[in-house]
Amino acid sequence: AQSVTQLDSHVSVSEGTPVLLRCNYSSSYSPSLFWYVQHPNKGLQLLLKYTSAATLVKGINGFEAEFKKSETSFHLTKPSAHMSDAAEYFCVVSDSWGKFQFGAGTQVVVTP
Amino acid sequence: DTAVSQTPKYLVTQMGNDKSIKCEQNLGHDTMYWYKQDSKKFLKIMFSYNNKELIINETVPNRFSPKSPDKAHLNLHINSLELGDSAVYFCASSQVSGSYEQYFGPGTRLTVT
Repeated sequence: AQSVTQLDSHVSVSEGTPVLLRCNYSSSYSPSLFWYVQHPNKGLQLLLKYTSAATLVKGINGFEAEFKKSETSFHLTKPSAHMSDAAEYFCVVSDSWGKFQFGAGTQVVVTP
Repeated sequence: DTAVSQTPKYLVTQMGNDKSIKCEQNLGHDTMYWYKQDSKKFLKIMFSYNNKELIINETVPNRFSPKSPDKAHLNLHINSLELGDSAVYFCASSQVSGSYEQYFGPGTRLTVT
């Protein structure tokens, strides 16, 4: 069985400051992990993915995530938040069949 | 060109009715999925088809029936709609089945009154 826990349901940052979204996972084998973003009333867009290659993964729009097996974490970061980053972010773990298990989501608010 | 498209975007209907949501992908992918997103934004997989064959079937009421006429299309038919079916339904596709990235459609907001 696998699961994912997003440790913050809501994160508020000022424009230009770093963003950290925390995700812990549980998996009985080497997982595939993803971060998706959902802007209001939109579909989900893939930010980045980890599939057992480099542990530091770079994604779109300046986001990156680091896979830490010892901590079972896959935290998402961005050095400088932009107003357009305001959205809901989902951490996802996948099994070998492509069954995605979504975290509960983290809502990011960016203030000017 | 839209990669994964869904119709309709909004669907408002009364309890007891039967409705369908259609999904099409033009990415040449083999695998397609249906997800349900509830009012708290929680996303849960419902079904997955690989090349027209059902491979994931979660604990979903049998009022929900997916149909895949070809690998580019996956439709969702819902019988005897209930208030609890109100949600946003997302279609997605991936190149093949497995732990590959999935591409999502824009969603269909279903409201049952």
